[in-house]
Amino acid sequence: QVQLQESGPGLVKPSQTLSLTCTVSGASISSGDNYWTWIRQPPGKGLEWIGYIYYSGTTYSIPSLKSRVTISVDTSKNQFSLKLSSVSAADTAVYYCARVATGNWFDPWGQGILVTVSS
Amino acid sequence: EIVMTQSPATLSVSPGERATLSCRASQSVSSNLAWYQQKPGQAPRLLIYGASTRATGIPARFSGSGSGTEFTLTISSLQSEDFAVYYCQQYNNWVTFGQGTKLEIK
Repeated sequence: QVQLQESGPGLVKPSQTLSLTCTVSGASISSGDNYWTWIRQPPGKGLEWIGYIYYSGTTYSIPSLKSRVTISVDTSKNQFSLKLSSVSAADTAVYYCARVATGNWFDPWGQGILVTVSS
Repeated sequence: EIVMTQSPATLSVSPGERATLSCRASQSVSSNLAWYQQKPGQAPRLLIYGASTRATGIPARFSGSGSGTEFTLTISSLQSEDFAVYYCQQYNNWVTFGQGTKLEIK
């Protein structure tokens, strides 16, 4: 079955860039069957959609984060990535990657990775 | 941006009883609505998409209904493993989530 796994540093200093990678198994990003997405969840709070990417490199990110977000794809490694620049404590969250199903719901999700922004 | 509002914030129900969770959209999302279940320390799990279609492997006690701006998730007979936080998500106009309903044991 399809599985996703987030990886990256769990601690990032303020003003630096958060960088995460999502490795996909059980499906091929380059097949073009799906979009792939990032979502985050601050501790004790709800879910916030960040954006998505297609195998071709087409991306979308939400307006409130657009100036700081870069989502990219590496089809040779079956991975996609998230970079968030100029981070602050407000960016502390569990970051999830997920597959976008045909109708734009998300399934499955990775297990998530907690990223703390602190000096 | 479409705002999704879930109610109540917390719902206390006894095992074996029925739970009804609500989700309202600030404008019509047609049937482009999904429900997720999240347990502590876990990623959300897709329960329902298309407002009423159960995802693969989801028990029949979970059902979704509604269209337009008003949606409901019903759990017909609560099992111990159903106590969790539930989120609705619209995908009619990009994506937004509700703030969640915590379903707790009464």
